[in-house]
Amino acid sequence: TQLLEQSPQFLSIQEGENLTVYCNSSSVFSSLQWYRQEPGEGPVLLVTVVTGGEVKKLKRLTFQFGDARKDSSLHITAAQPGDTGLYLCAGFTGTASKLTFGTGTRLQVTL
Amino acid sequence: NAGVMQNPRHLVRRRGQEARLRCSPMKGHSHVYWYRQLPEEGLKFMVYLQKENIIDESGMPKERFSAEFPKEGPSILRIQQVVRGDSAAYFCASSPSPISYEQYFGPGTRLTVT
Repeated sequence: TQLLEQSPQFLSIQEGENLTVYCNSSSVFSSLQWYRQEPGEGPVLLVTVVTGGEVKKLKRLTFQFGDARKDSSLHITAAQPGDTGLYLCAGFTGTASKLTFGTGTRLQVTL
Repeated sequence: NAGVMQNPRHLVRRRGQEARLRCSPMKGHSHVYWYRQLPEEGLKFMVYLQKENIIDESGMPKERFSAEFPKEGPSILRIQQVVRGDSAAYFCASSPSPISYEQYFGPGTRLTVT
C-alpha cells in the first residue's frame, strides 16, 4: 500500500501569512493532484503535476512536484479566509487508475 | 456543463436495510470511480467501472458491497444489510479516459446507519 503523508495535519494562521503544506511518500507517482475539500462537499481539483521538478502557479498558490516524483508541496502566499479548507494530495502509481489520497491538511485562516 | 451528480446527498438507514447510492458522471466521461471517506479518515478507493464492466474492485469489501455501471443510467453503489461501520461519505468521481490524470468528484452521499 502506497502511503502519502501530509504535514502539518492542522494549520491555523492569520490572514496575510504565508504557508507551505507537504506531501511525502516512499513511492514514485506518475502524477500528483492537489484537491481542496470544504465541509459537506466533494474534493475540488486544484492542479495536476506530472513531471519531476515541475512547478505550477495558480494565483497565490504554488505547487511543486519533487524531482524524484515522491513528494510535492503547496505554498500559499498571503492567505485569505477563503483559503480555509481541507487540502488533499493524491497520486497515481504506474498505470493504476485509482487515486491514493494523502492524510490531509486542515487549514484555517482567520481575520 | 453539469459536473458529477450524486443522489441522494444524505441517506439514513437502519441496521440491516439496503442502501443504494447513485452517480451520474460528467458529460462525455465513461469512467467512474467510487471512494469512501470514513469519519476522521482519508478518502479510500473502492471500485473503478466503465460502462457495463468492473475494471478494478480491489478496494471493495468482500461482502455486502456491489457496484454497477449499466449501459444506460447512472452508476449504482449498493450496500446490503448495512451496519453502523458503513456510516461514511461516499464519493463518486469520473474521468474521460483511463489514462487521464484528472478525476472530478461529485458532492458525495452521506450515509448514516442508525
